[in-house]
Amino acid sequence: ETGVTQSPTHLIKTRGQQVTLRCSSQSGHNTVSWYQQALGQGPQFIFQYYREEENGRGNFPPRFSGLQFPNYSSELNVNALELDDSALYLCASSFTGQLYEQYFGPGTRLTVT
Amino acid sequence: GEDVEQSLFLSVREGDSSVINCTYTDSSSTYLYWYKQEPGAGLQLLTYIFSNMDMKQDQRLTVLLNKKDKHLSLRIADTQTGDSAIYFCAERTDNTDKLIFGTGTRLQVFP
Repeated sequence: ETGVTQSPTHLIKTRGQQVTLRCSSQSGHNTVSWYQQALGQGPQFIFQYYREEENGRGNFPPRFSGLQFPNYSSELNVNALELDDSALYLCASSFTGQLYEQYFGPGTRLTVT
Repeated sequence: GEDVEQSLFLSVREGDSSVINCTYTDSSSTYLYWYKQEPGAGLQLLTYIFSNMDMKQDQRLTVLLNKKDKHLSLRIADTQTGDSAIYFCAERTDNTDKLIFGTGTRLQVFP
């Protein structure tokens, strides 16, 4: 049990819709990273937030966006959903001085039909 | 370039040792990780090693790093059925905070 929580657990959306996923960091952690894990693949880095600003981004289009709040919780927003966005979305929290330890939440399973 | 490769599947008998291998391409990797993922769950951080080390032991887990060959391995001693899961190797480089994962090795432990 890492102390990182995510909601919702599962979500079904239709192509073209928008979705918001939420993550609550482990206590004391001030950095949040988001990853997308397609079926049968390893997680792919989407972006990272530190001090409420994006601090590094992977190879994902601008329709993937995020927010970090003063309490270090975070949201991932995806606009104009596509079928290929179906995946497990994982958030990981860490402390800036110890970024070598990233702890993952249980994930949100998104299905786009 | 950034690429992490793992073999897809490993099957071992309960009580034996398991060795899961990983190769990476980025020579600037600073930390290398092993994560475990059980069905329907998130990733559990098992252990990590800094690039200036060549071995790290943590209870039943032993990590070996060959930086020259860019090869990382995870040995699980006395493998149990509860160790059945997918194991991911990941690297982190000094100039970025992202983790780059392999495709995972599915470990199956049979009685």
